[in-house]
Parts: sequence; C-alpha cells; structure tokens
Amino acid sequence: QQPVQSPQAVILREGEDAVINCSSSKALYSVHWYRQKHGEAPVFLMILLKGGEQKGHEKISASFNEKKQQSSLYLTASQLSYSGTYFCGTGLIQGAQKLVFGQGTRLTINP
Amino acid sequence: EAQVTQNPRYLITVTGKKLTVTCSQNMNHEYMSWYRQDPGLGLRQIYYSMNVEVTDKGDVPEGYKVSRKEKRNFPLILESPSPNQTSLYFCASNLGRRGRTNTQYFGPGTRLTVL
Repeated sequence: QQPVQSPQAVILREGEDAVINCSSSKALYSVHWYRQKHGEAPVFLMILLKGGEQKGHEKISASFNEKKQQSSLYLTASQLSYSGTYFCGTGLIQGAQKLVFGQGTRLTINP
Repeated sequence: EAQVTQNPRYLITVTGKKLTVTCSQNMNHEYMSWYRQDPGLGLRQIYYSMNVEVTDKGDVPEGYKVSRKEKRNFPLILESPSPNQTSLYFCASNLGRRGRTNTQYFGPGTRLTVL
C-alpha cells in the first residue's frame, strides 16, 4: 500500500519554509526522499533508517518517527531550485530492495 | 560514469505493436526494477529482478513482461500495447542484498504514447 504524502501541492515565495509529510500504514525500516524536476528522473536526496534519526543536507533536512510510521521533509529558506515534485519511498525491512513510493508533493517556489 | 540508461527516450506507437524498452546499468547492481509514473499516482512498480534469471511482479504487472539474462540489462516488453499503457517509464537499480540502504538509481525515463 502506498504511503500518503501531504500536502499534495504547495506554493511558496522564495525564502519561505516548507514541510512535506509521508505517512505509512505499515511499520517501516527506511524512508527515502527524492526530488523530481519536470520531465527528468527522480534524484535521491536522503535516506532515513529506523532509529528516529534526523538528517540534513544544506537547507533540506528530514526526520523519521518509526513509532508513528511517519517522515517529514523540511525545506528551509527555500530557493527557486527547490521547485519540483518530492516523493517519499518506503522500505519495510533492512536492506529492502523494493521501495513503495508516495504519490508525490508538488512544490512551486516563486520569486 | 555510474549510470542507468534507457532506450528509447521517446516512443509513439500504435495499439498491438510489440515493443521493447531497454535498460542497462554499469554499477554491478543486483536489483533492478521498472516503474511507471502517471499524474497523481506517483511511481508504481511494474516488475523487479533480484538477480539474473530472478524476476517477480510488482504492483502493476498486467500487460508487461521482463527478462534478466544478464546482470546489467533488464528490458521491459509490451507484447500488445494498449492506450492505457501510455505513461512515463523509469528503470531503476540498487545494490540489492549487499546494500544496507539500497538507494535507488533511476534512468532518464522513457515517455511512451500508445495510439
């Protein structure tokens, strides 16, 4: 079953913050976050593993709460280049080869 | 350069005309998979392969076939394409059992239109 992402779409001005959520009905071992520009392949951003860790990548960070089976992606002081569709992919077990992706969240950053 | 390649990138065909989309990776990855992407539905897995000669159905396998005769290649076959298979297709690979985190590497995508 697909994880559910929220919101489905968000429009921001450059410099504003955004939070994208990913919720699963199943216990998770890993959550992967990807960003996809229109017409291009998804690009890996980061992975979070069971243990509730939080990771950061410049102004993009994420958290994973395995008890709630939820992950959140935080984009701080958004830049125009952050525009795109963000997907979470969930893995159920350690070393899981199969990822089940959410439906995506479209983020638009305006000047 | 480590990469996943797909061909063709764009294809327009007619209903019932068999086609093959090729996928190749140069990272010695064990696990390969095919996804289709449709608006509002995200990425849905069609088939996957855990190694040579080992393939299995994903979430939306109807109307597709795959084969894995070599580790690096994983072609997607549409024996009799129909308009509802019009979509954007991505091939992906990861390390497989050897990889703890198994980050997926995606190919550039193939946009297929079936008339």
